[in-house]
Amino acid sequence: EDQVTQSPEALRLQEGESSSLNCSYTVSGLRGLFWYRQDPGKGPEFLFTLYSAGEEKEKERLKATLTKKESFLHITAPKPEDSATYLCAVQARGSTLGRLYFGRGTQLTVWP
Amino acid sequence: ETGVTQTPRHLVMGMTNKKSLKCEQHLGHNAMYWYKQSAKKPLELMFVYSLEERVENNSVPSRFSPECPNSSHLFLHLHTLQPEDSALYLCASSQGGGPNSGNTIYFGEGSWLTVV
Repeated sequence: EDQVTQSPEALRLQEGESSSLNCSYTVSGLRGLFWYRQDPGKGPEFLFTLYSAGEEKEKERLKATLTKKESFLHITAPKPEDSATYLCAVQARGSTLGRLYFGRGTQLTVWP
Repeated sequence: ETGVTQTPRHLVMGMTNKKSLKCEQHLGHNAMYWYKQSAKKPLELMFVYSLEERVENNSVPSRFSPECPNSSHLFLHLHTLQPEDSALYLCASSQGGGPNSGNTIYFGEGSWLTVV
């Protein structure tokens, strides 16, 4: 069965303290791995899509990487406005259109 | 204007009421989805519409009834719900690709539903 596990569940960082969030997955053929950011009371906001091992993508202070078993979301010198829940999701080859398997998310808090 | 718009943002309904959630996408996509987000649970796919045709019903109870009149609009009709149906209901859209192309899904802000 396809599964996505995110760790840690919660992470508190001081402003400027870099760290990484982990997303490990088991899927029968990866079509894509997605990272989203979700603020309280709002819908998930798309960040990145990764398709193959070795791929990396960057956006401002965020950098996503992908291996055959896991993905990391690296946060460099975070700011309080980076506080949110970060969701990882995978889509398997041959799966129904739109079927994403989501992890439970990592709740990130960055304090000044 | 946001890409995927949902109304209402908040809804409180009794177990005998009938209400509807509305979604509109302005991205020119050809696929639309309903997802459910409950506390402490991962997002769950409920329904998929591709080119206005329902292609997936993820074992959702019949008290939830989707409708897709065109590729830009999606509704979720609600009737005789239970308190455990209280959740954030998220509409999403994407440009459907081939079976081996990752299609990015864009979400709306969600409709918070409370069943009393």
